[in-house]
Amino acid sequence: RKEVEQDPGPFNVPEGATVAFNCTYSNSASQSFFWYRQDCRKEPKLLMSVYSSGNEDGRFTAQLNRASQYISLLIRDSKLSDSATYLCEGGSYIPTFGRGTSLIVHP
Amino acid sequence: GAGVSQSPSNKVTEKGKDVELRCDPISGHTALYWYRQSLGQGLEFLIYFQGNSAPDKSGLPSDRFSAERTGGSVSTLTIQRTQQEDSAVYLCASSSLPVNTGELFFGEGSRLTVL
Repeated sequence: RKEVEQDPGPFNVPEGATVAFNCTYSNSASQSFFWYRQDCRKEPKLLMSVYSSGNEDGRFTAQLNRASQYISLLIRDSKLSDSATYLCEGGSYIPTFGRGTSLIVHP
Repeated sequence: GAGVSQSPSNKVTEKGKDVELRCDPISGHTALYWYRQSLGQGLEFLIYFQGNSAPDKSGLPSDRFSAERTGGSVSTLTIQRTQQEDSAVYLCASSSLPVNTGELFFGEGSRLTVL
């Protein structure tokens, strides 16, 4: 079993929709979690850190559920510009990434 | 520069040749990572440097792969006797904090094509 797993999608949603991604991790010793955004043929860039208490940044909300060992990313009021691949990152030692979830927002 | 710099951005080589990929991390970042990303795949960890030492090289896929870091700064990933399955984007990332405690800053990657 991979240490960090994501549904690869694609998630195909209309503008204005709310969409949520989950990411599960297998190592209960993992402490730090992050969501990255990767545009086509570009490098990943940090979208937001994930805090135990949950955190929000504008239209984006990240949550951590330690009991069930998953993190989530919620995007409200989707924009065309949100179309990208979203990578979750965790790991107890080496930063370990999921395969990424592809989001396509259409008009 | 302000960000992580990688070179070359694109490399096309023939099977059996050796290639060197270079990474110049953000100044002052002590942690440096190499990852590999194949088309439609996630990031595959290759090696981690803390300063000049490599406490974890468990992700290197074979003994054809090696990496070094000098002066706590620039790192070079070398692939000997390249094979077609080595074709991928090789991403370097650096961080100011030790393992998995902070944000990773990625370079734009080196796209390797082995013919």
